[in-house]
Amino acid sequence: EPEVTQTPSHQVTQMGQEVILRCVPISNHLYFYWYRQILGQKVEFLVSFYNNEISEKSEIFDDQFSVERPDGSNFTLKIRSTKLEDSAMYFCASSWTGEYGYTFGSGTRLTVV
Amino acid sequence: LAKTTQPISMDSYEGQEVNITCSHNNIATNDYITWYQQFPSQGPRFIIQGYKTKVTNEVASLFIPADRKSSTLSLPRVSLSDTAVYYCLVGDGRNAGNMLTFGGGTRLMVKP
Repeated sequence: EPEVTQTPSHQVTQMGQEVILRCVPISNHLYFYWYRQILGQKVEFLVSFYNNEISEKSEIFDDQFSVERPDGSNFTLKIRSTKLEDSAMYFCASSWTGEYGYTFGSGTRLTVV
Repeated sequence: LAKTTQPISMDSYEGQEVNITCSHNNIATNDYITWYQQFPSQGPRFIIQGYKTKVTNEVASLFIPADRKSSTLSLPRVSLSDTAVYYCLVGDGRNAGNMLTFGGGTRLMVKP
């Protein structure tokens, strides 16, 4: 079964530092997403990406965040100047057009200290 | 998006059938009902999706009455490994680019 791969599985960073979370979506999927889940809370939508541009973003996804598909396979989430409250699990997901079931990766646990 | 309501938690025993009901009174004509499963420290996993009546796959069944204001996820003969959080989502199933809105889900605990 195809998988969405995320690296690293766990990242610890100091407050104020920049982090890049990496994802390899399923190869024939066209839509890519980032979600996050703060410990003990709901899974929250951050951003969706299609045709090399952001198609939708939430209020959480402010100027601190950016996404990129630098090549034909990777999809990255950059968080500039991390804050303590950015500590969460970050999930990448992808989907194929016309199919509502999304495939999520196993997540990157980001800890900001 | 239609708001969903589901029980916060449920307990069951191995081998039993588990039914989790989700209410979605404001479901729209274009909306599909989708269920996801999430284990601790893992991403949500798609289980099943339906529009009306009954859908069955190798993992679960989804029952949707004619008025579509609720739906029931049925897990046959659960095992300890089915202990997870189950989310009911309602949205336009035709647009794969739509964001998913997760609620609190139902925390299912399967006991030996």
